[in-house]
Amino acid sequence: QVQLQESGPGLVKPSETLSLTCNVSGGSISSYYWSWIRQPAGKGLEWIGRIYSSGSTNYNPSLKSRVTMSVDTSKNQFSLKLNSVTAADTAMYYCARDASYSRAFDYWGQGTLVTVSS
Amino acid sequence: DIQMTQSPSSLSASVGDRVTITCRASQTISNYLNWYQQKPGKAPNLLIYAASSLQSGVPSRFSGSGSGTDFTLTISSLEPEDFATYYCLQSYTTPRTFGQGTKLEIK
Repeated sequence: QVQLQESGPGLVKPSETLSLTCNVSGGSISSYYWSWIRQPAGKGLEWIGRIYSSGSTNYNPSLKSRVTMSVDTSKNQFSLKLNSVTAADTAMYYCARDASYSRAFDYWGQGTLVTVSS
Repeated sequence: DIQMTQSPSSLSASVGDRVTITCRASQTISNYLNWYQQKPGKAPNLLIYAASSLQSGVPSRFSGSGSGTDFTLTISSLEPEDFATYYCLQSYTTPRTFGQGTKLEIK
């Protein structure tokens, strides 16, 4: 059973960089796309972007100028950096696997709440 | 970006009712449409992929249909655990986009 677990600081100051890591267990990170998705409290879901195990990326144009994703296949984990954060970036952040057979997100982490505040 | 419009935004129903939620894409997405259920404090859970395929482990009272731009999620007979928020997601192209959600509440 594939499991994903997000980790990182729960509080980030405005203008600084949000950094999260997603650890994948129970399966290999290879040959899949891995996505980051966020959800402000009480609101809908927003796709941030994805990274393939080879390192190729696709980002949401709305965030592209501030997002960087990376992957470490030796550690079976991938990461998100979002710079110049504001209060509008306060949200629950999820990592998820992009299933090759369906192109749906079939496995999700439990989510980690990131608050942007001074 | 492809815009996904769900309706209704909220819905009140009773246990045993048949419920239908619709999702419309701003352009054709073939059958690259997925449905998720989200309960408070939890990550979304995949119910239906490729418009009509039931994800493993999901009860058969859930079904999906549609292609092109118009899609539906049907719950044939509501159970108490089905009261949640439902989202559609298009996986035809990037950026991936979600519908705004449908909150299903107990009448």
